[in-house]
Amino acid sequence: DGGITQSPKYLFRKEGQNVTLSCEQNLNHDAMYWYRQDPGQGLRLIYYSQIVNDFQKGDIAEGYSVSREKKESFPLTVTSAQKNPTAFYLCASRPSSGQGVYEQFFGPGTRLTVL
Amino acid sequence: QQPVQSPQAVILREGEDAVINCSSSKALYSVHWYRQKHGEAPVFLMILLKGGEQKGHEKISASFNEKKQQSSLYLTASQLSYSGTYFCGTENTDSWGKLQFGAGTQVVVTP
Repeated sequence: DGGITQSPKYLFRKEGQNVTLSCEQNLNHDAMYWYRQDPGQGLRLIYYSQIVNDFQKGDIAEGYSVSREKKESFPLTVTSAQKNPTAFYLCASRPSSGQGVYEQFFGPGTRLTVL
Repeated sequence: QQPVQSPQAVILREGEDAVINCSSSKALYSVHWYRQKHGEAPVFLMILLKGGEQKGHEKISASFNEKKQQSSLYLTASQLSYSGTYFCGTENTDSWGKLQFGAGTQVVVTP
């Protein structure tokens, strides 16, 4: 079955530690995205990538880093510089907009709690 | 710039109608509508492209007014299953590929 997987579903970390959230897709999509969702708030764009080895900052990139070494994978690292990292993180993917306009598929999300 | 959604929340009785609005400060290329149930990932409803297109999904439809840079989602004869938070995502003409979402509209449908 094609889809997007995020692991783990729940993640706990101590303050000051870096943590990496995994996102893998087997949909052969060019574009991948990371969003952050806080209780009662919308989806805020952290980073996005439209092609391998290239990515752009979204609206709230400070304190986060990403890499896109493979088409299928777009891991997100939450660094200790992120002041309030506790949130629900959603990864998404879709075919590149250069090929038309397509729906974005979301992964199941990772709920990160920093203690 | 994130799109602005209104209202923030709406409570409906089964069978009633509602409208959710989404507006952007920049020229729009596409508008995407999603619904999210608590604790789950957003689920795709529909995409609209510039050109004043109107689309439908069961009794949920949407319009896109390119001139006003806004889109509206229409919930007709609401069902209990329509409850959730609705998000609009926008892609501006000057930033292809960058899909940004609004703060969401919480919809509660009661029996």
